[in-house]
Amino acid sequence: GQNIDQPTEMTATEGAIVQINCTYQTSGFNGLFWYQQHAGEAPTFLSYNVLDGLEEKGRFSSFLSRSKGYSYLLLKELQMKDSASYLCAVSPSMDSSYKLIFGSGTRLLVRP
Amino acid sequence: EAQVTQNPRYLITVTGKKLTVTCSQNMNHEYMSWYRQDPGLGLRQIYYSMNVEVTDKGDVPEGYKVSRKEKRNFPLILESPSPNQTSLYFCASSSSGTYLEAFFGQGTRLTVV
Repeated sequence: GQNIDQPTEMTATEGAIVQINCTYQTSGFNGLFWYQQHAGEAPTFLSYNVLDGLEEKGRFSSFLSRSKGYSYLLLKELQMKDSASYLCAVSPSMDSSYKLIFGSGTRLLVRP
Repeated sequence: EAQVTQNPRYLITVTGKKLTVTCSQNMNHEYMSWYRQDPGLGLRQIYYSMNVEVTDKGDVPEGYKVSRKEKRNFPLILESPSPNQTSLYFCASSSSGTYLEAFFGQGTRLTVV
């Protein structure tokens, strides 16, 4: 079966660094995505990894290890507006790269 | 402005009364998808479309229909809604060239009583 696991909730302090982990078991792999979703709003794209290693984009970085079925999203210099849910999603096969399987999301609370 | 537009945003309906949720994108994207989002279950794909007249089932297609007669529109049809279809629905689109970035609509909160 297809499975994506992420922690349900995390709490961090403004200005700190937080790492949100995601592990996956899928029939194939054609990329891993991270999305941010504020309460009541649509998900917005944060990052994409298809090769092993770290992708950095401003305060956000995403890491992938395909051999371990593991990714993390690193948020630096946390701001109050970073309080949101973070969704990990995997595209499971080369034949259907438009198909996405999402994890249940990690709700991040940033405290002053 | 590039966007994906869903209508309606909120809908309360009764069991068995057919309804359609519309989705339109103005980015000339080939790929479009419908998802439902339920607490603790995350986003689950209902149907997707690779292009006009090309659609396929996602993970939870039962009770839903879609059509893709035009590139910009991808309506979701519930022929006979049931209470277990109460959910938050999202439409998304992406380009075949940069499919990795999916743009989501604002969401439709559907309640079936």
